[in-house]
Amino acid sequence: KNEVEQSPQNLTAQEGEFITINCSYSVGISALHWLQQHPGGGIVSLFMLSSGKKKHGRLIATINIQEKHSSLHITASHPRDSAVYICALREGADGLTFGKGTHLIIQP
Amino acid sequence: ETGVTQSPTHLIKTRGQQVTLRCSSQSGHNTVSWYQQALGQGPQFIFQYYREEENGRGNFPPRFSGLQFPNYSSELNVNALELDDSALYLCASSFGTLANYGYTFGSGTRLTVV
Repeated sequence: KNEVEQSPQNLTAQEGEFITINCSYSVGISALHWLQQHPGGGIVSLFMLSSGKKKHGRLIATINIQEKHSSLHITASHPRDSAVYICALREGADGLTFGKGTHLIIQP
Repeated sequence: ETGVTQSPTHLIKTRGQQVTLRCSSQSGHNTVSWYQQALGQGPQFIFQYYREEENGRGNFPPRFSGLQFPNYSSELNVNALELDDSALYLCASSFGTLANYGYTFGSGTRLTVV
């Protein structure tokens, strides 16, 4: 079973700061997902990665398959970025294995 | 193009009762997976349905069962509810079991067992 470790668990930063959230896993995967969950519970899919780097607006996600590590970066952070960010792995056809999430608060 | 809709949004049940949660897939998606998220934890995979059959299952007992219908909508049924079943239940739809185009998640059903 894949072990997913996210760090940090909690992060409070000031508006405008550059944010990095990390995800490490133990077993090879087919794809890695970065997800955003707001207090109401709904989950929004941000990125799906199997290699390299993806960028969408102020969000950047990278993955290093050899090191079994991925990072999510937020540039010019804003209070509306406050949410729980979750790393989730797909190993095959058996659904996703989730990390516990990083609780991010951006203060004005 | 519609997203994933889950109903009801909130539900309170008594220990020992049975519950049915519903999920409609995003248009064009044929696979639905269900997840249980306890407070403060990441979601845990319950099972996945593809073409109306269970196609993968996590570490959940048989009292957690499901259905998928010809229109790809899905139900999660939980029998003999226990207090620990209190959680947010999420469904996600995808095209194909490998979800090569990603997942679309619903907003969840928050179940409280008292």
